[in-house]
Amino acid sequence: EIVMTQSPAALSVSPGERVALSCRASQSVKTNLAWYQQKPGQSPRLLIYDASTRATGIPARFSGSGSGTEFTLTISSLQSEDFAVYYCQQYNNWPPLTFGGGTKVEIK
Amino acid sequence: QVQLQESGPGLVKPSETLSLTCTVSGDSISTHCWNWIRQSPEKGLEWIAYIYSSGNRNYTPSLKSRITLSVDTSKNQFSLKLSSVTAADTAVYFCARGYSNFDSWGQGALVTVSS
Repeated sequence: EIVMTQSPAALSVSPGERVALSCRASQSVKTNLAWYQQKPGQSPRLLIYDASTRATGIPARFSGSGSGTEFTLTISSLQSEDFAVYYCQQYNNWPPLTFGGGTKVEIK
Repeated sequence: QVQLQESGPGLVKPSETLSLTCTVSGDSISTHCWNWIRQSPEKGLEWIAYIYSSGNRNYTPSLKSRITLSVDTSKNQFSLKLSSVTAADTAVYFCARGYSNFDSWGQGALVTVSS
């Protein structure tokens, strides 16, 4: 089973700042990686798939990069609606599909 | 716009079977892959299984022996049964659309395993 590790677990950011979230895979997943956003009381929302392709309707301030074992989700200018928990998920070697533990982005 | 809605008992006794149904609207269940995913504070997000209307299925290995999946195309629904539940199966259960990643999710159903 591929283990996905996200860092940091939480970070405090001011609106308008740029933020980069890290996701590491225990073995190569090529570019078979997705990112999700989850707000309290809601289900996850797909942001990025294939490591760098934005899902339908996702603003351009969200971008994904990386391949192999190291991935980054970047939010270029944090908006108030972006404060949430972000998860990565691999789909290169499955079953099982596996998720990271999440990074919580909080208001500074 | 596709919508998914989970339904089922919110409380299940230990050793019994958890049963959930996902009703899909705005899309045909015959055209996509449909999944169950759960989330708990202890384990985070955990993919459980997928099913196609053709009957093609796949499961997470750790739960495979306890899972039964089915599809009802006449009702545009798919269902999950998880047998011999324990407290460790307490979670919010989501249904979701997609093969390998998930572009639409239900709102989630909290299932508590307790006597």
